[in-house]
Amino acid sequence: AQSVTQLGSHVSVSEGALVLLRCNYSSSVPPYLFWYVQYPNQGLQLLLKYTSAATLVKGINGFEAEFKKSETSFHLTKPSAHMSDAAEYFCAVTRSGGYQKVTFGTGTKLQVIP
Amino acid sequence: DAGVTQSPTHLIKTRGQQVTLRCSPKSGHDTVSWYQQALGQGPQFIFQYYEEEERQRGNFPDRFSGHQFPNYSSELNVNALWLGDSALYLCASSSHAVNYGYTFGSGTRLTVV
Repeated sequence: AQSVTQLGSHVSVSEGALVLLRCNYSSSVPPYLFWYVQYPNQGLQLLLKYTSAATLVKGINGFEAEFKKSETSFHLTKPSAHMSDAAEYFCAVTRSGGYQKVTFGTGTKLQVIP
Repeated sequence: DAGVTQSPTHLIKTRGQQVTLRCSPKSGHDTVSWYQQALGQGPQFIFQYYEEEERQRGNFPDRFSGHQFPNYSSELNVNALWLGDSALYLCASSSHAVNYGYTFGSGTRLTVV
């Protein structure tokens, strides 16, 4: 079975400050990992994905994440927070091959303080 | 290029009723997965359809059923609605050949009263 744990259900940062959202995964096989963002009353939008290529993954809106196998982590970062980054962020895991469901974490709500 | 389309966007039903939610996948995608997202929670996997068959199922009762059509669109049916079925229902499409994650629709907000 695969799972992800997101540390911190709520994170607050000042506008312009570093954003760091934490995700640890559990998987018995090499995982594929994702970060999704959800704005209020909307679906989920893919920010970035790790699929066993480069361990540092760059996504949309200036976000990036680094896959660290030794730490089983896939933390999401952004150097400078914008007000528009306020949303809920979900880490997710799956595996290669067909019929693979994606398992989501419980989410981290990011608040950006002006 | 149209993304994933879900209908309706909002729905109010009474306990005990039945509901059908619809999803059209992104062009080029052949696999549809359904998720339930309760308020303040992460999405929970309901089931996945490929080639018109249910391929995987999460921990949901038989009241939840689905269908996939030859054009890859899908329906989610929920019978005997409970208050606890109130949630955002998300449809996600993907390509069976390339498991690089989902494209999500905006969801259907179901309220059971």
